[in-house]
Amino acid sequence: KAGVTQTPRYLIKTRGQQVTLSCSPISGHRSVSWYQQTPGQGLQFLFEYFSETQRNKGNFPGRFSGRQFSNSRSEMNVSTLELGDSALYLCASSTRQGGQPQHFGDGTRLSIL
Amino acid sequence: AQSVSQHNHHVILSEAASLELGCNYSYGGTVNLFWYVQYPGQHLQLLLKYFSGDPLVKGIKGFEAEFIKSKFSFNLRKPSVQWSDTAEYFCAVLNYGGSQGNLIFGKGTKLSVKP
Repeated sequence: KAGVTQTPRYLIKTRGQQVTLSCSPISGHRSVSWYQQTPGQGLQFLFEYFSETQRNKGNFPGRFSGRQFSNSRSEMNVSTLELGDSALYLCASSTRQGGQPQHFGDGTRLSIL
Repeated sequence: AQSVSQHNHHVILSEAASLELGCNYSYGGTVNLFWYVQYPGQHLQLLLKYFSGDPLVKGIKGFEAEFIKSKFSFNLRKPSVQWSDTAEYFCAVLNYGGSQGNLIFGKGTKLSVKP
């Protein structure tokens, strides 16, 4: 069974640009959650999508958005990038909404220059 | 809001030493608690979880954790560590809000095991 797949693995952007990250959950998993991991703040919850609807959102500015498609794949978008957005972005999938993320992906390492 | 504290930022042990990593959470009601591990270059993996029942929870790779409600603690233990246990360990609590939930993580503890 394939795991959670995140693309790309690495990304370098400059301030002011926007970026889109992709996450393909494990087959049959309908919930996708996104987390930001930084050395200073640790792992912080961004949002959760279930059945193409955002079900829960963390304390991040509106520059961070996402969506989920009918095949459960999810994308996360960050607009007007700031230096502080440099982080490892992790995606996790689960069979049900609002529960413990069961499987995490390897993450996308985003670096802002 | 719930929070999770992990007291040790970096722990260095020799092989065969015993391990205990501290974790405290802030919420006084029903809690669901987790320990995750992140090996170098790998994704987060679930070590063990506590939802209810026996407060001593056994996980994978010989790890266990004890839920002590009176102390708001969920410490991770292993009797004898191996070099392959070198990793970062995260304690987490499930933050509930109706049907919504998300994990709140501690800042993590890096474990270095010397061969």
